Amino acid sequence: DAKTTQPPSMDCAEGRAANLPCNHSTISGNEYVYWYRQIHSQGPQYIIHGLKNNETNEMASLIITEDRKSSTLILPHATLRDTAVYYCIPQTGANNLFFGTGTRLTVIP
Amino acid sequence: GAVVSQHPSWVICKSGTSVKIECRSLDFQATTMFWYRQFPKQSLMLMATSNEGSKATYEQGVEKDKFLINHASLTLSTLTVTSAHPEDSSFYICSASANAGGLGIREQFFGPGTRLTVL
Repeated sequence: DAKTTQPPSMDCAEGRAANLPCNHSTISGNEYVYWYRQIHSQGPQYIIHGLKNNETNEMASLIITEDRKSSTLILPHATLRDTAVYYCIPQTGANNLFFGTGTRLTVIP
Repeated sequence: GAVVSQHPSWVICKSGTSVKIECRSLDFQATTMFWYRQFPKQSLMLMATSNEGSKATYEQGVEKDKFLINHASLTLSTLTVTSAHPEDSSFYICSASANAGGLGIREQFFGPGTRLTVL
């Protein structure tokens, strides 16, 4: 599995866009990039995933660089409820998820 | 998204007793269920993977005789912590997945977790 590098923490003002970077330079061609988040004392929550193309859903947008070595998760209008630890996880379909240390996002009122 | 429940949400037990945690997929059939453990201020660590009707596959360093996993149906998996000790106190989280599409890419849906405290 590819290793990832994420900043340990970030702050974002409420209502502003939160841009969470992830470096996965060793990702292999068949590995998708998954993003999950974990709000304090809860189980992780799936956010979005992608392979090559940028993706958008009701929660977030995922921007993947052309060389696939990095990606950015975008929360367009962060709310206080988005305060959580965000995990970027390269994964093939049959593999288990291996959580790294993630980015602790704090949304500030 | 799919819903996964865990029961109980928290449990306190005495050292030496056994504790069973249930994980249920409520609105889909889970071909695979995963059990994770999370210590305070640490990330999730995968303990084992179980497929319905098969023996669980344990990660290195996880004692299979201490953490008994049963996946008897497509909607239920149980984790039993046998002879629990204080060092087993942790947040236990299960997840469930089902094959989705020809590529076999599977999202994992997580339960809310069970906080175990062993006195």
